[in-house]
Amino acid sequence: NAGVTQTPKFRILKIGQSMTLQCAQDMNHNYMYWYRQDPGMGLKLIYYSVGAGITDKGEVPNGYNVSRSTTEDFPLRLELAAPSQTSVYFCASSYTRQRANYGYTFGSGTRLTVV
Amino acid sequence: DQQVKQNSPSLSVQEGRISILNCDYTNSMFDYFLWYKKYPAEGPTFLISISSIKDKNEDGRFTVFLNKSAKHLSLHIVPSQPGDSAVYFCAASEGAGNMLTFGGGTRLMVKP
Repeated sequence: NAGVTQTPKFRILKIGQSMTLQCAQDMNHNYMYWYRQDPGMGLKLIYYSVGAGITDKGEVPNGYNVSRSTTEDFPLRLELAAPSQTSVYFCASSYTRQRANYGYTFGSGTRLTVV
Repeated sequence: DQQVKQNSPSLSVQEGRISILNCDYTNSMFDYFLWYKKYPAEGPTFLISISSIKDKNEDGRFTVFLNKSAKHLSLHIVPSQPGDSAVYFCAASEGAGNMLTFGGGTRLMVKP
């Protein structure tokens, strides 16, 4: 099925380890986003991209890096994991201009625990 | 500083009754609003949206109301069904197609 695919679904990291959260979409969307969801805090934007080769910081970018070498893929890199990065991470995508009523398409999330 | 707030973290409603989920915003530049629904272990899915040129938008059992002067929107679900039990997020942007700012979510439980 077309959509946004995130891997892995779950991961436990030790403090100081690094990892990459993968995100791929097959809808030819130009815009892609990474959000984190902390309990009761809603979704906070980490990074976003408006197209291949173009990325920008969101609200909470510290401790993360992204790249966008293709339209389809938007990996999120965590360097030196910290307990504060324990969260559920969602990747999303949208058309360059949101079609009036359809919003973002989200992946099913990656639950990350840093111990 | 949360620009979009959902002040009720949870809501419990009897099946068949109306569910009303509320959302307040502070940024007067927001003019496009959306509601997303999220089931456990899944990503949020788009539910309904409204532009600031309207004060109401309906889609089946779901209606969103916008009160611009009060900077308040609400989602009405009538009649509520057990399958509506989920977390509901409101989101806002300055124009359709721009970055979304999300509220903290409200967990709705519809009891049979």
